[in-house]
Amino acid sequence: DAGITQSPRHKVTETGTPVTLRCHQTENHRYMYWYRQDPGHGLRLIHYSYGVKDTDKGEVSDGYSVSRSKTEDFLLTLESATSSQTSVYFCAISVGLGGAETQYFGPGTRLLVL
Amino acid sequence: AQSVAQPEDQVNVAEGNPLTVKCTYSVSGNPYLFWYVQYPNRGLQFLLKYITGDNLVKGSYGFEAEFNKSQTSFHLKKPSALVSDSALYFCAVRPLLGGQNFVFGPGTRLSVLP
Repeated sequence: DAGITQSPRHKVTETGTPVTLRCHQTENHRYMYWYRQDPGHGLRLIHYSYGVKDTDKGEVSDGYSVSRSKTEDFLLTLESATSSQTSVYFCAISVGLGGAETQYFGPGTRLLVL
Repeated sequence: AQSVAQPEDQVNVAEGNPLTVKCTYSVSGNPYLFWYVQYPNRGLQFLLKYITGDNLVKGSYGFEAEFNKSQTSFHLKKPSALVSDSALYFCAVRPLLGGQNFVFGPGTRLSVLP
């Protein structure tokens, strides 16, 4: 999985509870991404980062925040989890230069919000 | 806005037969095109990409894809399917001038029957 780890791999939580997911990479890649995967929707971008403390919103950012205080770590926080945020969350990095970048994905975190 | 369509939710093929998984896209300007595969409980794995040049791109595990600019398509193919090819396949596009962000299709589930 391209030197990317995600923690936890599985989590069950209750509505209204804050949740933080962690993505860790070992190769100092500049770009990191958080996606959610839902049946029939493929992967949808939540937030991405283009460097330490540099982040931006994706397609489905409402209800999510991110932080990147170190190159290797990209955190996704659900401030107050809702059942609609039950999903599988994938972190990705972008590898390559000059327009030929390819994204590589972590193993995913399965989140269930009750 | 860019988009990716995978018109078939499910493709069934007999082992040893050729397989095709279809992808069409809508993007401003020239795109970079990608195929990923996802096995159960795993992250997405990169298969191949089209950047420029030859319209037929060869990738991992014997897969290839053909870029057709006039039809805005990027179909994934394999001459002889294996049972182990059964998985979820995603097409993705990144516009040439659209920064780092990818747009993914909804996915096609391939079942190769023995």
